Amino acid sequence: QQQVKQSPQSLIVQKGGISIINCAYENTAFDYFPWYQQFPGKGPALLIAIRPDVSEKKEGRFTISFNKSAKQFSLHIMDSQPGDSATYFCAASMGSGGSNYKLTFGKGTLLTVNP
Amino acid sequence: EAGVAQSPRYKIIEKRQSVAFWCNPISGHATLYWYQQILGQGPKLLIQFQNNGVVDDSQLPKDRFSAERLKGVDSTLKIQPAKLEDSAVYLCASSFPGRETYEQYFGPGTRLTVT
Repeated sequence: QQQVKQSPQSLIVQKGGISIINCAYENTAFDYFPWYQQFPGKGPALLIAIRPDVSEKKEGRFTISFNKSAKQFSLHIMDSQPGDSATYFCAASMGSGGSNYKLTFGKGTLLTVNP
Repeated sequence: EAGVAQSPRYKIIEKRQSVAFWCNPISGHATLYWYQQILGQGPKLLIQFQNNGVVDDSQLPKDRFSAERLKGVDSTLKIQPAKLEDSAVYLCASSFPGRETYEQYFGPGTRLTVT
């Protein structure tokens, strides 16, 4: 059972454009939603995260939008740069119910930003 | 602050052979995770330690995979015997207890190829 569904699988954006990646989750007990960025040959690195008590969080060019009723959240990358080209993973976690903060990841989105 | 260290970075073995991976978490991080990342997919949790105790190993194929964290610091993940489908990147992550427990920091991973 895939608990976190991510789309699109791949995305090509021009430099300066907006990149949007979407995720949907099923388990309403999730209470932490991070986005990770992974470059080839590297481990995932935390980019930005949100908790369900807010609808939006912005850090620099990166914004998470969260819709609790729809059980969806998305990553927006403004003014996309070639250096943003990487694989992006959404994830979800919960600290209660015996899940002990383990992360459930989406399948990833390969973002390519053309110069 | 040093990050999560993993070794080796790459390993090629034949099926039915054994292999071991090592991880040293960030200093002070009590929680340690091992994830398996198959090409084109998001990381999947194999096992989670809190200090030197196992918190979750529900997705660890225990007939061939084993892991230990004897002194509550570094950890070893072993596969014996390896199968072709074990080809993947094995990621180690760690987190600090408390509210920050949600935030996991990943190492660079070990890329395993089973031929």
